[in-house]
Amino acid sequence: GAVVSQHPSWVICKSGTSVKIECRSLDFQATTMFWYRQFPKQSLMLMATSNEGSKATYEQGVEKDKFLINHASLTLSTLTVTSAHPEDSSFYICSADERSTVYVNTEAFFGQGTRLTVV
Amino acid sequence: SQQGEEDPQALSIQEGENATMNCSYKTSINNLQWYRQNSGRGLVHLILIRSNEREKHSGRLRVTLDTSKKSSSLLITASRAADTASYFCATDSGGYNKLIFGAGTRLAVHP
Repeated sequence: GAVVSQHPSWVICKSGTSVKIECRSLDFQATTMFWYRQFPKQSLMLMATSNEGSKATYEQGVEKDKFLINHASLTLSTLTVTSAHPEDSSFYICSADERSTVYVNTEAFFGQGTRLTVV
Repeated sequence: SQQGEEDPQALSIQEGENATMNCSYKTSINNLQWYRQNSGRGLVHLILIRSNEREKHSGRLRVTLDTSKKSSSLLITASRAADTASYFCATDSGGYNKLIFGAGTRLAVHP
């Protein structure tokens, strides 16, 4: 199956700094990638849709200036948490879709996730 | 709210027993997927069921889908301690796997 690699798997940063998380599709091209956030003991919440070569689409309530998404190539999307604060501490996970336009109903491929701790 | 609902929120059973988790969602869907997540880890895809399917099996897993009720269930038969994890349903309504996750069920299987 398709492989999605997410890096780093965990990061600790100081309050006020920025953190970049990478999501790579290793053996396929992904026009679209998705970023999710998961707080402890909660479900995954879709944050944004990352579109190659165009602006990301953010879900309601997600600050686009705080969570910068760049999908510069068909295999890489990055999420930058700017001016991170302790309340941004969470598990961030990406997924990529390899399907062509003619197919539907295939599983999503997820990265391993990144645990961000802001101190 | 994005999320659908899952029940129960938590389930504690003994090894060998069956575990049933239910999921309800809000919009029409292309498919519904079930995932497992071990504590603090990534997601493991279990089963995808299409909107025109009613039941699907994979090993000890059985998934049903009732689109008229906008609900699905996941049955794990003959549970094992290794099945201890959180289980999430996720719906794909618009295509391209833009998934909306249910609240999840935390399953604990005791030896």
